[in-house]
Amino acid sequence: AQSVSQHNHHVILSEAASLELGCNYSYGGTVNLFWYVQYPGQHLQLLLKYFSGDPLVKGIKGFEAEFIKSKFSFNLRKPSVQWSDTAEYFCAVNAQNTDKLIFGTGTRLQVFP
Amino acid sequence: GAGVSQSPRYKVAKRGQDVALRCDPISGHVSLFWYQQALGQGPEFLTYFQNEAQLDKSGLPSDRFFAERPEGSVSTLKIQRTQQEDSAVYLCASSSVSSGQPYYGYTFGSGTRLTVV
Repeated sequence: AQSVSQHNHHVILSEAASLELGCNYSYGGTVNLFWYVQYPGQHLQLLLKYFSGDPLVKGIKGFEAEFIKSKFSFNLRKPSVQWSDTAEYFCAVNAQNTDKLIFGTGTRLQVFP
Repeated sequence: GAGVSQSPRYKVAKRGQDVALRCDPISGHVSLFWYQQALGQGPEFLTYFQNEAQLDKSGLPSDRFFAERPEGSVSTLKIQRTQQEDSAVYLCASSSVSSGQPYYGYTFGSGTRLTVV
């Protein structure tokens, strides 16, 4: 069965610090990979996605993620976080030819000014 | 509409009560998904519709959970004889991709927070 692991449950940073959130998945076949963000009081929003091609994916608000197939990883990065990045971040995987997303348990990011 | 609309936003039910949660997807979106998000967890898949056809209900936790989308637009998730472990946020998402593959990602609603007391 597919699963997604997010190792950091709660991350606290100061503004301008660099961010990297880990995501590993378990599935032997071809997958699509996603990062979703949930700002306080808001719905889940797509941050970025990977389907094929360049394993370095750029998303909105300066976020990027790198797919490393050999490590089954899809870590999220941002060189300099802002207070407005405070949110919960979810990694998700979708096995090709299936209809469901499998989510990780999420990482809560708090950024202090 | 501009987004996925869910109602009610909050629902408190007494244990044993039946509840019905509504989802209005984005107009024209073929695929509709229901997810359950327990406190401190990521969303977990419940069921998936393509138009009015329920193509996957493998995530429904028990036969107390029932979902329908009779006209291929609005969907209702019904939970019979609610129990405390049903307390969660129920998320609806829709997608325009007819195959059901979330190629462009879903658009999620804000969810219904169900509390069973």
